[in-house]
Amino acid sequence: EDQVTQSPEALRLQEGESSSLNCSYTVSGLRGLFWYRQDPGKGPEFLFTLYSAGEEKEKERLKATLTKKESFLHITAPKPEDSATYLCAVQAGFNKFYFGSGTKLNVKP
Amino acid sequence: DTAVSQTPKYLVTQMGNDKSIKCEQNLGHDTMYWYKQDSKKFLKIMFSYNNKELIINETVPNRFSPKSPDKAHLNLHINSLELGDSAVYFCASSQGSGHQPQHFGDGTRLSIL
Repeated sequence: EDQVTQSPEALRLQEGESSSLNCSYTVSGLRGLFWYRQDPGKGPEFLFTLYSAGEEKEKERLKATLTKKESFLHITAPKPEDSATYLCAVQAGFNKFYFGSGTKLNVKP
Repeated sequence: DTAVSQTPKYLVTQMGNDKSIKCEQNLGHDTMYWYKQDSKKFLKIMFSYNNKELIINETVPNRFSPKSPDKAHLNLHINSLELGDSAVYFCASSQGSGHQPQHFGDGTRLSIL
């Protein structure tokens, strides 16, 4: 059964305290893995797409990596404005998109 | 200049009623989607619509019917609303349906009394 699991469910960090979010997946025929950021009352905002194991993408304090079974979103020296829910999604085929339930990140000043 | 806009933002209605949610995108994308986000925050795809081809998710009850008058619009009509339909519904769009990121609207919170 295709599924996406994110951990931890919630993460509290002090400003400047680096950490990683995990997205593990079991799908047949991965076509792409996506990371999104979702703020309260808003729709998900696209961050990265990863296509194959070993690929890495970076944007400001965020870096996403991909293996054959999981993806990590590394947050380096986070700031309070990085507080949000981070969603992972995989595409396994046409119209087959599976989202995880997200990691709610809270960065304290 | 909103890329993907949904109306209304909030919808409160009685069980058994029929309601519609509208979605418009100004990104020039050719594929649009409807998602349901339940109380556990899982986003589940309901439909995608690519160049007049509708792809239906088999788990969606036939009380839900998408309608696309053109590439920039995808509306969702729901008949005979049930308590379990309470959720946040998101519209999204992408260019093509293969490994392209989706751009989401801000959601419509549907509450059934």
